[in-house]
Amino acid sequence: EVQLVESGGGLVKPGGSLRLSCAASGLTFSHAWMNWVRQPPGKGLEWVGRIKSKTDGGSTDYAAPVRGRFTISRDDSKNTLYLQMNRLKSEDTAVYYCSTVEAELGYCNSTSCFHYYYMDVWGKGTTVTVSS
Amino acid sequence: DIQMTQSPSSLSASVGDRVTVTCRASQSIRNYLNWYQQKPGKAPKVLIYAASSLQSGVPSRFSGSGSETDFTLTISSLQPEDFAIYYCQQSYSIPWTFGQGTKVDIK
Repeated sequence: EVQLVESGGGLVKPGGSLRLSCAASGLTFSHAWMNWVRQPPGKGLEWVGRIKSKTDGGSTDYAAPVRGRFTISRDDSKNTLYLQMNRLKSEDTAVYYCSTVEAELGYCNSTSCFHYYYMDVWGKGTTVTVSS
Repeated sequence: DIQMTQSPSSLSASVGDRVTVTCRASQSIRNYLNWYQQKPGKAPKVLIYAASSLQSGVPSRFSGSGSETDFTLTISSLQPEDFAIYYCQQSYSIPWTFGQGTKVDIK
């Protein structure tokens, strides 16, 4: 069974930093694309960013509100995903979830194949509160 | 960025009712549309991916349809455990975006 466990949340002052971790088990982590999603108190889901597997290039993508402040990384030797959050703002207050990104083959044309991506297994989340 | 708009924002229904939630994209996303269910205090759970493919283990009373900009999640016969918030999400282009959610509660 795939399990994801987030940790590292807490109370931090505006302008501060925090690093979240997501420990994975039950899967070949090095092959997995991974994802962070956050949910402010009483609000909906917001995609934060994703990281591809190293075999797929290991690149990262971010949502505009966090680009340049947050960094997603991975340590495949430790089966762990990270979210480094710098220059935190009050609007970053949220529950942060990590998830796996599953890919199902959609279709191929003469040059490329296209996949459907969805967030499959989720952790229980860790709470980050940014307040003075 | 692609905006996802769900309607209604909330609805009240009874056990056994047929329930429909709609999701509209601000531009064509082909069928790169996923649906998630979230219960209070819990992480989301994927129900449908690629607009109409049922995730393994999800009851067959859930179904999805649509393409391009207009999508629908249908629960054919609402069960007590289905009272939750439902979100659509597009994976057509980065940044991936979610709808604002539809809360389904008990009438």
